[in-house]
Amino acid sequence: GDSVTQMEGPVTLSEEAFLTINCTYTATGYPSLFWYVQYPGEGLQLLLKATKADDKGSNKGFEATYRKETTSFHLEKGSVQVSDSAVYFCALSENNQGGKLIFGQGTELSVKP
Amino acid sequence: DAMVIQNPRYQVTQFGKPVTLSCSQTLNHNVMYWYQQKSSQAPKLLFHYYDKDFNNEADTPDNFQSRRPNTSFCFLDIRSPGLGDAAMYLCATSRSSGGAHEQYFGPGTRLTVT
Repeated sequence: GDSVTQMEGPVTLSEEAFLTINCTYTATGYPSLFWYVQYPGEGLQLLLKATKADDKGSNKGFEATYRKETTSFHLEKGSVQVSDSAVYFCALSENNQGGKLIFGQGTELSVKP
Repeated sequence: DAMVIQNPRYQVTQFGKPVTLSCSQTLNHNVMYWYQQKSSQAPKLLFHYYDKDFNNEADTPDNFQSRRPNTSFCFLDIRSPGLGDAAMYLCATSRSSGGAHEQYFGPGTRLTVT
């Protein structure tokens, strides 16, 4: 079945450092790919998405490119802030699965001043 | 602001005592989802409604039921909660069930079973 694998956390960075969170997926079809963010005590919020190969999703300085050849959707940000501290989930959704999101295990990011 | 609302935010129930969690939305979305998220784990889909059509995940225990009386509201019923059902329960909505559509999540209800 479909699955998503993320790099394990926690990831601890200093403010203004470069961030990469790796995400790879396995899918039978051509999924849409998402990054969701969960701040402490809150629900998930969509950070960015890409719906086809070579699409780049971007939002709030975060970027991720849909790489079909490597089945990857790595999240990057050039300069993190303390306010970016959260848990980040990579997810996929197939068109024929009723919109079901399959999540990776989540990566906790902690940014220190 | 259009949103997904979950009540209560925190719910404590006793082992075996039925409990209902509620979700409402002002987005007028067709699809509503219920996810279970255990501590430090990814959310796991329990079931979803497309309008009035109910879609259960194959591995969702029979102990979990759902009702959607109208477009705006959806309920999660746990008939006989066990200690293993303690988790965060997340409600989400989507305009359509196509894979590319974003899901909008509520803040969640944290369920404690004593």
